[in-house]
Amino acid sequence: KNEVEQSPQNLTAQEGEFITINCSYSVGISALHWLQQHPGGGIVSLFMLSSGKKKHGRLIATINIQEKHSSLHITASHPRDSAVYICAVEDSNYQLIWGAGTKLIIKP
Amino acid sequence: SAVISQKPSRDICQRGTSLTIQCQVDSQVTMMFWYRQQPGQSLTLIATANQGSEATYESGFVIDKFPISRPNLTFSTLTVSNMSPEDSSIYLCSVGPGRGELFFGEGSRLTVL
Repeated sequence: KNEVEQSPQNLTAQEGEFITINCSYSVGISALHWLQQHPGGGIVSLFMLSSGKKKHGRLIATINIQEKHSSLHITASHPRDSAVYICAVEDSNYQLIWGAGTKLIIKP
Repeated sequence: SAVISQKPSRDICQRGTSLTIQCQVDSQVTMMFWYRQQPGQSLTLIATANQGSEATYESGFVIDKFPISRPNLTFSTLTVSNMSPEDSSIYLCSVGPGRGELFFGEGSRLTVL
């Protein structure tokens, strides 16, 4: 069993839909990261969480430490949101454990 | 924050040759990280590069294949040596974790024929 599990693996939705991507982990963490990777390969950090909830524009990230679960939400999705979304957890030694990524396609 | 300039962005190479990837950070950082992302896969850490000491390699990666230089606190290079088609991947440099947000270079997409 992977230490970081993301679901779904692939997601296709229509423009405007509310999107949820989930991340579950089985290890103790000091932080959880959500990142976005575009087809060209570049990776951009979206959020770093250690508790609660963060919001940036149309993106919302939540984490439940007790349940070892995090979600990334996208409101009013747009084709430009199409990308791979990656969850990574950071352990107490600053080691990163990577999820496999969720490939999101938003159709106009 | 940190801005990382990585080059080349992509290259097509012949089997048996070597390619050096460069990363320049706009601020001084203690540790830089090199990752490989094979097609359809998540990131795999190759090594951690500290200025003034030899890089620390992860299991499955060796210095002879992936020599790393870290001449100062803003620059690092990764060389992929004696390339084979199995080395076709995206290679990324990064700063963080341990300093908050993660920052990545734009990635170097390598195709080996």
